[in-house]
Amino acid sequence: DVKVTQSSRYLVKRTGEKVFLECVQDMDHENMFWYRQDPGLGLRLIYFSYDVKMKEKGDIPEGYSVSREKKERFSLILESASTNQTSMYLCASRALQNTEAFFGQGTRLTVV
Amino acid sequence: QKEVEQNSGPLSVPEGAIASLNCTYSDRGSQSFFWYRQYSGKSPELIMSIYSNGDKEDGRFTAQLNKASQYVSLLIRDSQPSDSATYLCAVNWNTGGFKTIFGAGTRLFVKA
Repeated sequence: DVKVTQSSRYLVKRTGEKVFLECVQDMDHENMFWYRQDPGLGLRLIYFSYDVKMKEKGDIPEGYSVSREKKERFSLILESASTNQTSMYLCASRALQNTEAFFGQGTRLTVV
Repeated sequence: QKEVEQNSGPLSVPEGAIASLNCTYSDRGSQSFFWYRQYSGKSPELIMSIYSNGDKEDGRFTAQLNKASQYVSLLIRDSQPSDSATYLCAVNWNTGGFKTIFGAGTRLFVKA
């Protein structure tokens, strides 16, 4: 089975902190994604990557950056956390263009 | 126009009835379409994929695709209380890096 693992289930951070969310997949998938999910807004794409060191902005990239140094790992970075970044963050990976995405368990981030 | 649109609901149906969930998308060139189910506090899980116009059946679930109308639907026959969840429509975008875009989801309640 495909496994996508996010480093933390729950995180509490202070405003202004630099926050790292890590995601690892074990199926050699080319594509990896970071979404945030808020009530009533569904999953909104922050960034995605289709290869090592490659990244593309999604719909809401402001305040975030990403890193993909190895194929299996995709990191989301909040440069200076703010309270409006309190959300559920979901990582996903996908093999080819016409296949489904597999999700990690999610990280509930609270910025205080 | 949103990239992927769904009626947010909630949709309430009695046990044993047919639940009908709808989704429209804006990228005419998209080729891959998915329905995910998400229980409260959990990650989305794939229930159906569809790539060609027409119907695709899997047990109690039927996905329908009409590319000319840019419309995808999911029918759940003999609805059960365990089907109560949020259903997310997803589209693999054909342009801009083949990202996977989700609708906001439809909440379904099946009353026993």
